[in-house]
Amino acid sequence: TQLLEQSPQFLSIQEGENLTVYCNSSSVFSSLQWYRQEPGEGPVLLVTVVTGGEVKKLKRLTFQFGDARKDSSLHITAAQPGDTGLYLCAGADPNNAGNMLTFGGGTRLMVKP
Amino acid sequence: ETGVTQTPRHLVMGMTNKKSLKCEQHLGHNAMYWYKQSAKKPLELMFVYSLEERVENNSVPSRFSPECPNSSHLFLHLHTLQPEDSALYLCASSQDRRFSGYYEQYFGPGTRLTVT
Repeated sequence: TQLLEQSPQFLSIQEGENLTVYCNSSSVFSSLQWYRQEPGEGPVLLVTVVTGGEVKKLKRLTFQFGDARKDSSLHITAAQPGDTGLYLCAGADPNNAGNMLTFGGGTRLMVKP
Repeated sequence: ETGVTQTPRHLVMGMTNKKSLKCEQHLGHNAMYWYKQSAKKPLELMFVYSLEERVENNSVPSRFSPECPNSSHLFLHLHTLQPEDSALYLCASSQDRRFSGYYEQYFGPGTRLTVT
């Protein structure tokens, strides 16, 4: 069974600060997705990374996939209150032909104005 | 309507009631999923349907019964639930992994279920 550990679990910062969220595993993933979920809503897909070492940018958000495809990070520059939410990473098992994703436990981010 | 929709958004039911959750996807996908999200727990996959055939059932209690009449619609039938079943129930859809190199799941807004 693959596991994904996210850290930190909770993060409370002031507007304008930078932060990094980590998603780690001992298993290899064929792809990894990052989602943001706001209270009372479903997760919204932010990005998918597929290639080891890949870096993708989405405005102030930078996503990186580890070279060995076992870990990923999300860096937010100059955080804003609108970034508040639950951030989830999810990986696809390359050895499982099914459609399951393994989800991390999430990082709950609060950005104070 | 676009994306993945779910109805109702909120549901309060007694332990002896029977109710159904509905999910509809407008993305042309061929796989659909039910997840349970409880406080302080990771997302739990309940059921997966691909091409309208159930392919995963993660030992979910029989009081939850899924139905997938076509690739765009998914139901979760509920009966004699317990208070611990109170949670956010999320539906998602994707392309089947067999037909795409990698796949992405798109979620609906969820149904907030409270069992009294």
